[in-house]
Amino acid sequence: LAKTTQPISMDSYEGQEVNITCSHNNIATNDYITWYQQFPSQGPRFIIQGYKTKVTNEVASLFIPADRKSSTLSLPRVSLSDTAVYYCLVGDDNAGNMLTFGGGTRLMVKP
Amino acid sequence: ETGVTQTPRHLVMGMTNKKSLKCEQHLGHNAMYWYKQSAKKPLELMFVYSLEERVENNSVPSRFSPECPNSSHLFLHLHTLQPEDSALYLCASSQDWGVKGEQYFGPGTRLTVT
Repeated sequence: LAKTTQPISMDSYEGQEVNITCSHNNIATNDYITWYQQFPSQGPRFIIQGYKTKVTNEVASLFIPADRKSSTLSLPRVSLSDTAVYYCLVGDDNAGNMLTFGGGTRLMVKP
Repeated sequence: ETGVTQTPRHLVMGMTNKKSLKCEQHLGHNAMYWYKQSAKKPLELMFVYSLEERVENNSVPSRFSPECPNSSHLFLHLHTLQPEDSALYLCASSQDWGVKGEQYFGPGTRLTVT
C-alpha cells in the first residue's frame, strides 16, 4: 500500500485559502487519492477524490501533478468550522486493498 | 433515520463483561466496515464485510467478534477486553467494497474499558 506523508498541523485565518499537500511517492498506477475530514469525536467525512490533474466540488479542489507523487487539497476561504483533521489516503479498487488512514493534518482556523 | 447510525454512543464496561456494538446503515450499501481510533493514533481498519461476507480481517484479537446478519446491520461483539481497547469505534459503509467512492461513517461508540 502506498504510504502518505502530510504535515502534522497547520494554522490559518478565516477567509484565507488553505492548501494541504500530501506526499505519496510510491503511488501505484491504479491508486486513487482520497481526502477525508474529521471533527473531534465524529467519524471522518469524505471531501474529495481524484486520480489525476484537477478535481473540484462544492467544498474543495484537489490538484494532482502529472507524476502523481503528491497531491494538494485546496480549501477556499476557510471558516472557523473548517478546524478539523484532514486525512489523505491512496489505494486502488482491487480486492484486498483498503483505505489506510495516516496521522492526518490538524488544521486550526483562527478568527 | 438516514445515513449510518451507531449504538450505544458511549459504553463503559469491565474487563469481564460481554457487550455488543451495533451499526445500521440506511443507504442501501453493500459494504460495511469497523474501524478503531485510539487517542492520538490513526484510524485502524478492523473488519470489512461485503454482501454480508467478511472480506478483510486485519489481525484483530479474537476478543473482538464481528457479525453481519444482513447488508444493513453490523455488530461488534466484545468480551474480556483490556484497558488498551478503550477507543472510539467507528462503523462505515460504502456502495461497494474498495477504495473508489465514498465511505460514510457513523458517529462512533466511545468505549471505555475499566
